[in-house]
Amino acid sequence: DAGITQSPRHKVTETGTPVTLRCHQTENHRYMYWYRQDPGHGLRLIHYSYGVKDTDKGEVSDGYSVSRSKTEDFLLTLESATSSQTSVYFCAISVMGGDNSPLHFGNGTRLTVT
Amino acid sequence: QQPVQSPQAVILREGEDAVINCSSSKALYSVHWYRQKHGEAPVFLMILLKGGEQKGHEKISASFNEKKQQSSLYLTASQLSYSGTYFCGTYSPTSNTGKLIFGQGTTLQVKP
Repeated sequence: DAGITQSPRHKVTETGTPVTLRCHQTENHRYMYWYRQDPGHGLRLIHYSYGVKDTDKGEVSDGYSVSRSKTEDFLLTLESATSSQTSVYFCAISVMGGDNSPLHFGNGTRLTVT
Repeated sequence: QQPVQSPQAVILREGEDAVINCSSSKALYSVHWYRQKHGEAPVFLMILLKGGEQKGHEKISASFNEKKQQSSLYLTASQLSYSGTYFCGTYSPTSNTGKLIFGQGTTLQVKP
């Protein structure tokens, strides 16, 4: 168990409202990631972090921002939610980062934007 | 750019074999394989780091052909528990800053 908790697990929100998803880990790992999963697209990287206050964009970062003020928490914010952001969001951690370190995923947050 | 997986879906009977392929247009450092059961999070299966390296996980093994920029996942004598969606994830030299990019997934259904 990699000690990853995502909250909330489910959320329904209206178009135009801001939404923040939280990923919390208990192992103090340096590398954290946010992916979204949509049918036919697999898992797409939104943003990732390689340390406190060190973040970078992934493949599909438009409309999303992230913050990491503590090692254990990685927040994903949808600044103004749109229906195209309806998805399942997974947080993941990597013990060492890089190409030889597996990702461990949280249980996901199902977000519906109406 | 996402790696491309094939086939998109496969249906098997218990005991049959399957191969899932993962191809990239970019040179690769490594390939990861994950399995996701319905309604659950993806779970790590294995990493392949070297060209031609094969790794095994029970009756699931994989190969990595660095030259061809592709990897294959082999499921032998499939069991009902193998059902799920399989994802490959790749690292490329130009993105070796901790970014794992996944393919679109291959759905495997094993029937009794």
